[in-house]
Amino acid sequence: DVKVTQSSRYLVKRTGEKVFLECVQDMDHENMFWYRQDPGLGLRLIYFSYDVKMKEKGDIPEGYSVSREKKERFSLILESASTNQTSMYLCASSLRQVAKNIQYFGAGTRLSVL
Amino acid sequence: AQSVTQLDSHVSVSEGTPVLLRCNYSSSYSPSLFWYVQHPNKGLQLLLKYTSAATLVKGINGFEAEFKKSETSFHLTKPSAHMSDAAEYFCVVSATGGGNKLTFGTGTQLKVEL
Repeated sequence: DVKVTQSSRYLVKRTGEKVFLECVQDMDHENMFWYRQDPGLGLRLIYFSYDVKMKEKGDIPEGYSVSREKKERFSLILESASTNQTSMYLCASSLRQVAKNIQYFGAGTRLSVL
Repeated sequence: AQSVTQLDSHVSVSEGTPVLLRCNYSSSYSPSLFWYVQHPNKGLQLLLKYTSAATLVKGINGFEAEFKKSETSFHLTKPSAHMSDAAEYFCVVSATGGGNKLTFGTGTQLKVEL
């Protein structure tokens, strides 16, 4: 079974802090994704990566950056956390052809910024 | 461009009665369509997917969906609801040539009552 592991289930941070959300997948998938989930808005793509050191902006990249130094690990970085970044963050991975391949999701990290 | 509309934000059914969750899509290309389910405090799990093979797609846990190109719909159904079906369901569209991403609907919360 594919496993996508997010390092934290819950995080509480203060405004202005630098925040790292980590994600690891064990299926040698080329693609990895970071989404944000908010009630009534569904999932919105923040960034995705299709290879090591490669990244593309999603629909809402402002205020976020990412890092992919190894194929299995994809990090989401909030350079200076703000209260409007309080949300559920979901990581996913898939094989290369996004349109046809299943995305496998982690359990999510619920981030609160105070 | 692609988009997806889930027509109901909340659906409530009695246990043992049929389930219908409605989804309409828009895509400039030949689409792939997915339904994902999210149980409370869990990540998303694939229920089923359509990728231009048979128009009636069977998924896990007795769910199925029918791709209707003329109606641009991909509604999810189940003949008999079970209490364990209570969850949030997301309809998702993607298209080769439509950008390397999925577009999620805003979700339908399914409630199953005794």
